[in-house]
Order: sequence, then C-alpha cells, then structure tokens
Amino acid sequence: SAVISQKPSRDICQRGTSLTIQCQVDSQVTMMFWYRQQPGQSLTLIATANQGSEATYESGFVIDKFPISRPNLTFSTLTVSNMSPEDSSIYLCSVRMISSNEQFFGPGTRLTVL
Amino acid sequence: GQNIDQPTEMTATEGAIVQINCTYQTSGFNGLFWYQQHAGEAPTFLSYNVLDGLEEKGRFSSFLSRSKGYSYLLLKELQMKDSASYLCAVRSSDYKLSFGAGTTVTVRA
Repeated sequence: SAVISQKPSRDICQRGTSLTIQCQVDSQVTMMFWYRQQPGQSLTLIATANQGSEATYESGFVIDKFPISRPNLTFSTLTVSNMSPEDSSIYLCSVRMISSNEQFFGPGTRLTVL
Repeated sequence: GQNIDQPTEMTATEGAIVQINCTYQTSGFNGLFWYQQHAGEAPTFLSYNVLDGLEEKGRFSSFLSRSKGYSYLLLKELQMKDSASYLCAVRSSDYKLSFGAGTTVTVRA
C-alpha cells in the first residue's frame, strides 16, 4: 500500500475565500484523483489529476471552481475557490498503485464553510 | 455510467457472519473494490476483484461474478470494531471509481 498524507486535515473557512488542499504520496503512483464526500453521502469523483497537464473534470465540476495541479508523480493540490456553505464536505485524494492496480484514499480534508 | 446497488443497513451479532451484496451495471468494467469507512474517517481499502471468484483475506472475503454484475463482501467472526459503513465501488476502463451509497453494518453484542 501507499502512505498518503493530506494537508490540512480540517479547516473552517469564510464564504468567498479559497482553500488549497495538498496531497502527498510516499511512492510513485500512476494516477491521482480527487473525490468529495458530502455529509451523509457516498463519494463523488471531482477530477483526475494529470501530471504536467490540465486535470480531467467530471460532469458538474469545473476548473474555475476546483483548480488542480499535479507537478510530479507523488504530489497534487486541489483548490476550492470562492467557497460557499454548499462546499462543506470531506475532500479526499486517491491514488492508483503502479505495482498492484489497487486504489487507496488519503485521510481526507474536512472543510466547513461558514 | 454505473448503477451500483447495495443494502442500506445490516445488523448482526458479534461472532456471526454477514454478507453484503452489491449489484452493478457498467459500460466498461475494470475491477470492483470494497472499502470500510468508520464515521468521520476516510475509506480504508479492503479488497479488489477483477476476475471472477472468491478472494479471501483473513476474516474478510470478496466474491465477483462479472457475467451477473454481482459481488459480495463476507465478514466472518464479526467484532464490535467491524461496525462501519462498507462501500462497493466499480472501476471503469478509464480507472475512475463509482461508489454505491454504502451499507451501514451494526454489530451487536
């Protein structure tokens, strides 16, 4: 398995501000993804973070709202821009392993927007 | 797209066995995953099936039938710490995971 860390683990933010979440993996992985889990719900894919190029977004998610970077194989950031209370959620980084094809999740970032 | 169905809740007694079923419809299949999620925590990887059959890992086993679009997660010798939500997820050919709504398992003494 991989050791995945996310920063921050939680934050409380004001409406209209932006927050950048970092995801670091301790080994090289083929693919990195960002998911969201709203209260009481299951996980929804936001986008695939592509190394050195623009992320691939799912329906309902756009780059202006959720800009993503992936400068190398082991690091990615997700920014939640111009936040509103509806963005209150857990944001999770996920990685697919080169060696095993398994997929793991980071510990998550719990975001509350007031 | 993916349609993934699993029961909402299940209750069992400590020491017993529980089987969580998952059915899916997919336009491109590239593996089925089971995750455990305790309240307030991130999902933890339990199993990955890409071929038909049973995969056993200690107290947990997972089964897959691709032709039937069906999987189950079997939890044996239930312990109180197994009380959690269990998520079935199907991976598509582009390696994206789609999740079911999750099954909340409650283990009673």
